[in-house]
Order: sequence, then C-alpha cells, then structure tokens
Amino acid sequence: DSGVTQTPKHLITATGQRVTLRCSPRSGDLSVYWYQQSLDQGLQFLIQYYNGEERAKGNILERFSAQQFPDLHSELNLSSLELGDSALYFCASSVGQGVNYGYTFGSGTRLTVV
Amino acid sequence: AQRVTQPEKLLSVFKGAPVELKCNYSYSGSPELFWYVQYSRQRLQLLLRHISRESIKGFTADLNKGETSFHLKKPFAQEEDSAMYYCALSEGTNFGNEKLTFGTGTRLTIIP
Repeated sequence: DSGVTQTPKHLITATGQRVTLRCSPRSGDLSVYWYQQSLDQGLQFLIQYYNGEERAKGNILERFSAQQFPDLHSELNLSSLELGDSALYFCASSVGQGVNYGYTFGSGTRLTVV
Repeated sequence: AQRVTQPEKLLSVFKGAPVELKCNYSYSGSPELFWYVQYSRQRLQLLLRHISRESIKGFTADLNKGETSFHLKKPFAQEEDSAMYYCALSEGTNFGNEKLTFGTGTRLTIIP
C-alpha cells in the first residue's frame, strides 16, 4: 500500500452524467495532484492543491473541477461527461515542503463513459 | 515552458542485453529529474531521482546538463523489467509547488 487511496477503483457511467473521484493523500503529505492517463494522450497533469489551496492548473477542462478539504483529502468532479473522458485518473501526493522527493501515486480510478 | 521528450514509444530488448531508455528535457532553470515505472497498468512507482544518484533494481540514470538528457540504463535486462517507463521533470524546489511534467513514456518489453 503506497499510502495514497483512491476511490472508487472503477466507474462506469453514461454520457452527460457527473461523477466524483476521491483521493486521500499519504499521511503527512500536503500536496495533491490529479493526472489523467489515456492511451493517446499519455499522462496529463490536471490540477494541484497544496494545503487546501489551488497551486497549479494544467490541461483541465472547464467541465472538471477539484478541491482539497481541511483533512487534506481531495475530490475531482467531472461533469457533462463525454466518451472522450474515459481514462485512468491518478491522484498523487507529495510532502510539499520545498524538497521534491517525488510523488506517491494512488492506484487510480478507471472511468468508462458509455 | 518545460518539456520532457521520450523519443521511443516502444523498445524491445533481449534478456541479458543492455537497456537504455532515452529522455531529453527542455527547461531554462535547474531541473530535478525522475524516472517512474508502471507495471501492467498499475500505479506509477518512483524508480529513481537524479539528486539521489542511486541505483534501483540495477537501473541508473545520469543527468547530463550539456545534452539536457537523463537516460535510464541497465547493463543486463531481466524479464521483470517489462513495463512502461516515464521520465519526469520538476521545476525545482519551490515551496508547495512540485508539479511534475511527464514524458509520453516508453513501453519496454524484454524478450526471453
């Protein structure tokens, strides 16, 4: 167990729907990152939170949003889902204290939009 | 803007042969480089960091600032090395901002 927990592991939903992906970072880590992994796009950075605040934004669609709560867990909300949103969504966490030891990744949520 | 390039999408190597996975980067500052490995669509795992100058599972990587490269090497490939490998770059030690930019990955297949 890497310490980063993502739920659910699998999600199948219809186009136009909205889903919420959850991530609990490793104990002590303040930064949470969300990545989308698809076959044709590789690993795309979506958004980063540090201690509850948004710190960096990548290629995140307006239909997507995220937040980090006081207990440091994070949620990624995907709305008006399209077939192309089908992908593996990874959450990662890091210490976030000025030294980059690298990320610890969760096992991902596999989203299938039908 | 920073960029990480892994020129090989696929690489096949015979067991026991040397392995080299290429990674080039572009970044104007002083980067930190990483290699991550992903087995069979599992979670990504940190393999090594350039600042640690360590060897993990027989893999090493040297940062060459002149050539802006961080190639991953192993002298003798093993079947369990078959996986997806990602090179990643961090913009350095900005407090609370350690965003990693990943390359597109190289799928390494070890031929028995």
